[in-house]
Amino acid sequence: DSGVTQTPKHLITATGQRVTLRCSPRSGDLSVYWYQQSLDQGLQFLIQYYNGEERAKGNILERFSAQQFPDLHSELNLSSLELGDSALYFCASSVADRVNTGELFFGEGSRLTVL
Amino acid sequence: GDSVTQMEGPVTLSEEACLTINCTYTATGYPSLFWYVQYPGEGLQLLLKATKADDKGSNKGFEATYRKETTSFHLEKGSVQVSDSAVYFCALSSGNTPLVFGKGTRLSVIA
Repeated sequence: DSGVTQTPKHLITATGQRVTLRCSPRSGDLSVYWYQQSLDQGLQFLIQYYNGEERAKGNILERFSAQQFPDLHSELNLSSLELGDSALYFCASSVADRVNTGELFFGEGSRLTVL
Repeated sequence: GDSVTQMEGPVTLSEEACLTINCTYTATGYPSLFWYVQYPGEGLQLLLKATKADDKGSNKGFEATYRKETTSFHLEKGSVQVSDSAVYFCALSSGNTPLVFGKGTRLSVIA
């Protein structure tokens, strides 16, 4: 158990809909990262928050947005969903805002299926 | 930008066989290098890491050496077990950048 909690574990929805994925980081961790894992693209970094502030942005679509709340939990909002958004979405956390010497702790992921 | 290239899978080995998963990287500066493992139905977890050239990371019988001259960080294990079946990801981080992952290599070990 990494200590990172993601909900829901599975989500099935239709094209055009909007969903929210939630992540609670490990106790004491200030950074939250979102990654998208798909068969063809592998693990793609979406966005990072550190102590409530956006720290880094990756290949995140404009239809997607995220935020980190004062209690440090984070939410990833996906809107106007398309079939290609079907993927496993991982949240990870770390103590610091850099990971070049530390490590990321991953949740078990939220599997999104868009029909 | 930074990138990681690792060998395509899947890799299927018999128990007690030797394992090598190749990983090369492209990065500005001096990245830290990582191997993460993803067991079925779970999130990724750190397997080992190396933060500077010639460092060797090791854990659970797995090893990888940071080779700056060949920009490589190959994962090796002398004798694999069925319980090592998983997807292995090579990753790097330089400076302020979040982790950049390779596409993963699926390993299946058969008894």
